[in-house]
Order: sequence, then structure tokens, then C-alpha cells
Amino acid sequence: DGGITQSPKYLFRKEGQNVTLSCEQNLNHDAMYWYRQDPGQGLRLIYYSQIVNDFQKGDIAEGYSVSREKKESFPLTVTSAQKNPTAFYLCASSIRRRTGSGYTFGSGTRLTVV
Amino acid sequence: AQSVTQLDSQVPVFEEAPVELRCNYSSSVSVYLFWYVQYPNQGLQLLLKYLSGSTLVKGINGFEAEFNKSQTSFHLRKPSVHISDTAEYFCAVQTGANNLFFGTGTRLTVIP
Repeated sequence: DGGITQSPKYLFRKEGQNVTLSCEQNLNHDAMYWYRQDPGQGLRLIYYSQIVNDFQKGDIAEGYSVSREKKESFPLTVTSAQKNPTAFYLCASSIRRRTGSGYTFGSGTRLTVV
Repeated sequence: AQSVTQLDSQVPVFEEAPVELRCNYSSSVSVYLFWYVQYPNQGLQLLLKYLSGSTLVKGINGFEAEFNKSQTSFHLRKPSVHISDTAEYFCAVQTGANNLFFGTGTRLTVIP
């Protein structure tokens, strides 16, 4: 079955360490997205990519970095510059340039920094 | 620019009672509208979407929503809720092939 795989499900890191969250899709979608979710704040867009080797900052990109070397993969690195990294992170994908296509979401990674 | 407002952050309802989760949007162009559901510690799952045609849209798990262009609303309804419907619900709007804009979510709690 096609879908989006986020790994790991739970991640613990010490303060000051960089950490990379994995997102892989086999839907042949062009566009991929990273969201951060905090209680009571809905979804906030971190980065998105419409095509391989290209990506754009979202609303809260500071302290994060991404790469898009392959169509299937869009890893997110949470750097030590992110002041409050503990959150639930969601990856999504969509068909590029198809009106009303909506997004398909992964199951999320819960990052806890101690 | 477009925006989405979910008027209720939390909605408690007794089991087998009806429920309506409200969503209003603003946009200067035609929109596509979505409702997603999120169960605890999971990703978002599409409940239903409105693209065109009939304004009453039926989705999974017995949910339906009605697009009202004059009131710029897309409220989600279910005639009889179950315990398993306890989750967070997100309304989203898309214009053309652009990014989705999400509301802040409504937490539905079904009380036995």
C-alpha cells in the first residue's frame, strides 16, 4: 500500500543535540511538507518542497533545516538553534499542481528534548 | 489571502447525541474545503472534501458537511456520535493548487 512513513515514532534527545526526523513516501507525490504541532496551536508549517532539490521556508523555519535530494524523501533536522524543540512533528505530501488534491499525512514523530 | 476559523476549540457531547463542528473561511477566490480527523498520537486522516457540485458532502464514519458559499462556512455534522469519534478535527482550505491552510482544530470529546 502507498503511504508516508515517519520514523521513529518517539524520539528523545539531549538539549543541544541536532536530530533528524525521517519522512519517506511511495505515493509518487511531488510536494512534501513538514508541520509542527503543539497543544492548542494547530498545525504550523515549517518547510515545504514542491520539487526535488528545491524547498521553501514556512511560518516557523528558524532552527530547522531540510533537504530534498530524492522525490521520496524529505528529512527534517531539528538543530540546537531551535529554542523549544519538544513537539509532535507531522510530514505530509501532495500531488503538485492538481487543484483540490489535499494532503496525505504520515503518523508523526513525537520529539522530546530533555 | 485565505484563512480558516474554527469557532470552538473544544466540544463535549454525550454519546448518541448529534454534533456540529463549525468552520468558517475567508478567501477572495474559489476554494476547496477539507475536514481531517486526528486520533491521539496519530497523523491526520481525510474525512471528506468539497471540490465542486453538491454542497452536501458525505465522508467516512457517518460524517457529512455542507458548503455554504454565502456564509463562507463548511460545518461538519454527525447525527449520532460514538465514543470512537473522540478526536481532534481540523478544517482546511485550499485555493487552486496552492498550499492548504488549516484551522486551529476542534477537540471533540464524546461522553459515555
